[in-house]
Amino acid sequence: SQQGEEDPQALSIQEGENATMNCSYKTSINNLQWYRQNSGRGLVHLILIRSNEREKHSGRLRVTLDTSKKSSSLLITASRAADTASYFCATLTQGGSEKLVFGKGTKLTVNP
Amino acid sequence: EPEVTQTPSHQVTQMGQEVILRCVPISNHLYFYWYRQILGQKVEFLVSFYNNEISEKSEIFDDQFSVERPDGSNFTLKIRSTKLEDSAMYFCASSTVFETQYFGPGTRLLVL
Repeated sequence: SQQGEEDPQALSIQEGENATMNCSYKTSINNLQWYRQNSGRGLVHLILIRSNEREKHSGRLRVTLDTSKKSSSLLITASRAADTASYFCATLTQGGSEKLVFGKGTKLTVNP
Repeated sequence: EPEVTQTPSHQVTQMGQEVILRCVPISNHLYFYWYRQILGQKVEFLVSFYNNEISEKSEIFDDQFSVERPDGSNFTLKIRSTKLEDSAMYFCASSTVFETQYFGPGTRLLVL
């Protein structure tokens, strides 16, 4: 089974619109982290939400976590062309493991 | 802001050769990691390192791989005898306990 599956796989929107990406996972988690990756570049950490949190904000980012459904969403409001990138969720499994398990990512394109 | 650095940014090597990828984690972090991303695929965990020893490793991290913290700042990944399928982007990351993992910019390894 796959942990951290995002949908949609690709999303294309106009500048100024909101972008919502979803992530599902299968095991109990300690926390869930969202990362951004520009094409062929490094992973930039965006936000971390713990298993006992339901919502978190950071600037134009809003993350929700529903542990009963084992899902999370990332909302980017008022998108900009510079937000064009791939977005990954990564889960830290409960129970002492330190490894992040990444999903396949959502490729977001924001058209000017 | 402190960041994880990696060298080299690109490495081209012949199959069967040894490569060493280098990382300088964030100075007050205690956990160090290597991940890899084959082109177009998910980011995959390789190994975590804590208190001068491997704390967790994946099935990918076989006898061809080794990690070392040779001094107080560097963290290295060695691949003893590279294979074509080792071609990937290799990311180093560091963190405090079960918190945000900060990733370096990556080393793109190409095995010919």
